[in-house]
Parts: sequence; C-alpha cells; structure tokens
Amino acid sequence: GENVEQHPSTLSVQEGDSAVIKCTYSDSASNYFPWYKQELGKRPQLIIDIRSNVGEKKDQRIAVTLNKTAKHFSLHITETQPEDSAVYFCAASIRNYGGSQGNLIFGKGTKLSVKP
Amino acid sequence: DGGITQSPKYLFRKEGQNVTLSCEQNLNHDAMYWYRQDPGQGLRLIYYSQIVNDFQKGDIAEGYSVSREKKESFPLTVTSAQKNPTAFYLCASTSGQGDLTDTQYFGPGTRLTVL
Repeated sequence: GENVEQHPSTLSVQEGDSAVIKCTYSDSASNYFPWYKQELGKRPQLIIDIRSNVGEKKDQRIAVTLNKTAKHFSLHITETQPEDSAVYFCAASIRNYGGSQGNLIFGKGTKLSVKP
Repeated sequence: DGGITQSPKYLFRKEGQNVTLSCEQNLNHDAMYWYRQDPGQGLRLIYYSQIVNDFQKGDIAEGYSVSREKKESFPLTVTSAQKNPTAFYLCASTSGQGDLTDTQYFGPGTRLTVL
C-alpha cells in the first residue's frame, strides 16, 4: 500500500523567510496530493492540493510542486508570518473520476514555527 | 468545513465503558471517515464508509465499531476492547466522486480522555 514520508518533523524560520516541507510517496498510481494546516486543538484545513496532471500550483504565498518521476512533492510558503505557525500535513491518494476512490494516506506532520 | 459537526467536543470515559462519538454532515457527501490523532503520529484511519450501509476497516480498527444507517451520520463507538483510547478523534467526509470538487473536509474533532 501507499506510504508517505514527510520531512522535517519540525521547522523554525524567521518571519519573512521561506519555508519548505517535503513529502515522498511510494505508490506511483497516486494522483492527488493535498496539504492540510492544523492549528493547535483545531481541525485540519485544506490549504492547497495538486493533481498529477500538473507540476506546480500556486495560491498567493503558498505553492506546491510535484515530481512524479521522483515521487515527491513539496509545500513552499513564502514571506512567512507568525500566523503561519501550525502543523502541516501532506497526503496522497488515488482519485478516479466517477469511480472508486483511494483513501488519503497522511504524512506524520511538520510543526512550523515562525518567529517574529 | 462548517458542514461537518462532531459531538461532544470533550468526552471522558471510565475504563471498561463503551462510548459513542457523533459525526453528522449536511454536505450530501457519500464517503465518511474516522481518524485518530496522537501527538507525533499524524492521522491514522480507523474506519471508512463510501456508501450508506457499507463500511470498511482502516489501519487501526481494533477496539472500534461504526454504523452507516444514514448518509448524513457516521457514529464511532470506542469499546472497552480499545486499550489506549485517549486521543483526538476526527471525522471527515468527501463527495466520493473523484472530480475536482472531491476534497476531504474535517469536523472539529472530539477529544476523548480515559480516566
């Protein structure tokens, strides 16, 4: 089955710097890769996702890149702010239009701390 | 996210007791999921259901049970057979159609503590 590895487990950056979190996956059939942000005691919230038919997706200060050949994908946060401090989870699954769907397999999370 | 509710927010259980966690969604989603979250362990899948009256075990189903009698509801029972139930429990749902709108949304969670 699918296995997702996420690194680093903790990341500390200065406000304004960039942060990069990397994930690798094992199942080459996986085609959907979401990223979730979870603040302390709250639910995970989807912040960006990418499907395997594109290599990069951006949404303001957040971007995700996907390398299907190497089976890894990364989250990039630019101009970090203290409110970006949270735990970030990557995940991978198979999405089939109109068919059965694979379950999301999550990485173990990265605790990001942005220091003012 | 506001379309998925979980109750209670906090739950305390004595050893040997069964407790049931509620999860309701009004998003008309076919698929629903239960995850357990422990510090440093990420999200682990307990049970999932892709359609009413059908459900499958996830990675850590032992000591848990579920039902899916209605599309909107997917309650989780933590039985006395679960030896270490203290954790944060998250319910989630997706449309299950695999299209561009098929995103997984989470409920606010239930924190279960065994006394």
